Amino acid sequence: EVQLVESGGGLVQPGRSLKLSCAASGFTFSNYYMAWVRQAPKKGLEWVATISTSGSRTYYPDSVKGRFTISRDNAKSSLYLQMNSLKSEDTATYYCARLNYGSYGYWGQGVMVTVSS
Amino acid sequence: DTVLTQSPALAVSPGERVSISCRASEGVNSYMHWYQQKPGQQPKLLIYKASNLASGVPARFSGSGSGTDFTLTIDPVEADDTATYFCQQSWNDWTFGGGTKLELK
Repeated sequence: EVQLVESGGGLVQPGRSLKLSCAASGFTFSNYYMAWVRQAPKKGLEWVATISTSGSRTYYPDSVKGRFTISRDNAKSSLYLQMNSLKSEDTATYYCARLNYGSYGYWGQGVMVTVSS
Repeated sequence: DTVLTQSPALAVSPGERVSISCRASEGVNSYMHWYQQKPGQQPKLLIYKASNLASGVPARFSGSGSGTDFTLTIDPVEADDTATYFCQQSWNDWTFGGGTKLELK
């Protein structure tokens, strides 16, 4: 059974940093592109970052480019999101997701990040 | 950025057929996907690459379209289908539509 379990969320002040983790199991992690997707309270879904199987290629939307960094450790079947210079508009539930054919076939339960003073 | 536009809400009666539309601001080939999200839950993949049913999804769900216009159809609608439905494209990076909230009468 595919499982994605996020951790590392919480309350953080504007301008500070936070690192999210996602532990994957039930599949060969190194064979799949992985991604982070977020959802602000009562809002829609927003793609945050994508990483290739080896980690050599990463992709970001303009809203987080230069502030967020996605990475992975295939030996540990883990995905990470380093978030720097956090803003109030980054407040959201962050989901770890597995990509296949460009779609997000599996999602974690999500972890809440609140940016507030 | 490729913008995806969905109608905000729809209301249908159980047993009816409903079509949820998604229009892309530019062509996305067949790289359109559909998700169902219920309150407090993570999204669930229903359809990938326009018309392919994801594993475990009932055959009441189907997808069609190519280029810029896509449709998710549920036939017949059941009470448990009350949810928000999102389209997502992966032809030009990855973007989501704003979601269509489906309510049952």
